[in-house]
Amino acid sequence: KNEVEQSPQNLTAQEGEFITINCSYSVGISALHWLQQHPGGGIVSLFMLSSGKKKHGRLIATINIQEKHSSLHITASHPRDSAVYICAVEEDGGSQGNLIFGKGTKLSVKP
Amino acid sequence: NAGVTQTPKFQVLKTGQSMTLQCAQDMNHNSMYWYRQDPGMGLRLIYYSASEGTTDKGEVPNGYNVSRLNKREFSLRLESAAPSQTSVYFCATRLTGGWQYFGPGTRLTVT
Repeated sequence: KNEVEQSPQNLTAQEGEFITINCSYSVGISALHWLQQHPGGGIVSLFMLSSGKKKHGRLIATINIQEKHSSLHITASHPRDSAVYICAVEEDGGSQGNLIFGKGTKLSVKP
Repeated sequence: NAGVTQTPKFQVLKTGQSMTLQCAQDMNHNSMYWYRQDPGMGLRLIYYSASEGTTDKGEVPNGYNVSRLNKREFSLRLESAAPSQTSVYFCATRLTGGWQYFGPGTRLTVT
């Protein structure tokens, strides 16, 4: 069973384009995380949210708890945004804040 | 302030050999995690430790053991390596209710 589904799996964009990556989940959650995995393999957390919207620079994350859906938007995309973006959820009542991860969306931004 | 460190970065083992992956953090976080990442799959939890002296199984614990030596260190041991354990292994830490912080990863190949 796939409790966290991301779409698309792969995404190619031209520099400057507006990017949207989607995440749907099937369990009740206490929080949703967005992470970025660089081409070199390192993983960094971008956002943690349980309602509404958060913004950091050119990145915006939104969540709709009723629809069990979140989106990550990148405005004015740049080649340095090329990475794998991973959605993960903390299941409500789950163990010790453990995360359930999606398979990731690979983004490539061409100059 | 190194954050989360992992050693080694790369390792090649023959089937049946044993090894220990080391993880250390200087962030004073209570929770620590070991994940594996395989192509086409999301990060999967092997073991976690909510606090010093406690460890619990995650989604894929078979073939692994862990030790939470102290608050800083959480090691993962493969007693008898198998080709199915070829993967990239990530250690992560978390302050309760916060983001997860990931180490740089260990790329393990079992031949």
